[in-house]
Amino acid sequence: SYELAQPPSVSVSPGQTASITCSGDRLGDLYVYWYQKKPGQSPLLVIQQNSKRPSGIPERFSGSKSGNIATLTISGTQAMDEADYFCQVWDTTAVFGGGTKLTV
Amino acid sequence: QVTLKESGPVLVKPTETLTLTCTVSGFSLSNAGMGVSWIRQPPGKALEWLAHIFSNDEKSYNTSLNSRLTISKDTSKSQVVLAVTNMDPLDTATYYCARCYDSGDRRYFDVWGRGALVTVSS
Repeated sequence: SYELAQPPSVSVSPGQTASITCSGDRLGDLYVYWYQKKPGQSPLLVIQQNSKRPSGIPERFSGSKSGNIATLTISGTQAMDEADYFCQVWDTTAVFGGGTKLTV
Repeated sequence: QVTLKESGPVLVKPTETLTLTCTVSGFSLSNAGMGVSWIRQPPGKALEWLAHIFSNDEKSYNTSLNSRLTISKDTSKSQVVLAVTNMDPLDTATYYCARCYDSGDRRYFDVWGRGALVTVSS
């Protein structure tokens, strides 16, 4: 089955830039999506189709992809951005990465 | 406004079958380009996609759990039902239903329910 790899944790100081990676075979051929998950809340889509921000998502969230590595970047990270972040693709089925805990 | 709401038992015993219902509003389960998935998150662990039902009633399952899962829908009731057989304590998780935007090569979850915590214990 298809697998996506994410670092378990990333730490960043307030105001700095956080980068979270997601890697997988053939990722270059697939659209990558990113979700923010806070305790007690439902996941929230923050990046769609590799790099597009859904309506209502702050501009400090951005996404990119190079080859088989996708990156979620949060510029000017705020305390409210502390959460788990998951990447997702749809290969033959939906697949989520293992998640990255962002500590601010 | 699009909403999804999960309902079902909060506690099931090992070996029992879990049946969860997702009631949607703000869109039709027959709308082309829309589907519904079930996704779960065990405490402290990652999101795990379980099953999906497309607008044309085609179904897709997590291959690791395929034999235990059944997804179905009743369009007239705006409900999607997930059945999971032979429940185990490792199946303890928050179960979410989510609307899936579907345009072929673009499939993602744009609206989620609040989730339903299901505990498996004797």
